[in-house]
Amino acid sequence: NAGVTQTPKFRILKIGQSMTLQCTQDMNHNYMYWYRQDPGMGLKLIYYSVGAGITDKGEVPNGYNVSRSTTEDFPLRLELAAPSQTSVYFCASIPGGADTQYFGPGTRLTVL
Amino acid sequence: AQSVTQLGSHVSVSEGALVLLRCNYSSSVPPYLFWYVQYPNQGLQLLLKYTSAATLVKGINGFEAEFKKSETSFHLTKPSAHMSDAAEYFCAVSDKRGAGKSTFGDGTTLTVKP
Repeated sequence: NAGVTQTPKFRILKIGQSMTLQCTQDMNHNYMYWYRQDPGMGLKLIYYSVGAGITDKGEVPNGYNVSRSTTEDFPLRLELAAPSQTSVYFCASIPGGADTQYFGPGTRLTVL
Repeated sequence: AQSVTQLGSHVSVSEGALVLLRCNYSSSVPPYLFWYVQYPNQGLQLLLKYTSAATLVKGINGFEAEFKKSETSFHLTKPSAHMSDAAEYFCAVSDKRGAGKSTFGDGTTLTVKP
């Protein structure tokens, strides 16, 4: 198993540009999460999904969108990038009935 | 509502000394508590978890934590620090298993001096 994979590893965006952060897991986990980590801070939940076709907002959803068309994939979309979205983004997944989150390696995004 | 407070954003210990990282939580329901470790430029890795079973929880790499309901604490300890323990540590609380939403503390950076 590759676990949770995220692409790209790094990206620089200009203000107003859009992009999609990809997250894929090959463990057949039901639950998937997107977090952002700002310098010196803990993780903040952006969106989460309890299964294909079901998504819900977390603590800081503004400026982001998600979809979950398959169990494996949970992309995060930034429509109009802003400097405040400069952060490291982590995707995580949990198997059904369990409680341990498996994290991807992260995507470091800079918006200039 | 739930929250986590990690006391001390930076902790420095000598190699071989006791490691103590503090975590206090707030939760309106019985909590599930977690400690994660993050090495530079990597994702988070679970160290240990409390899920309403034994109050003293043992994790990987010699770490353990004790759940104290009366003190709303879940402090992380290791009897003897190793250089490889230098990393950032996060405490997290969740309101339920599986699909619960976790709230993370701001993290504690552990430095180990030779």
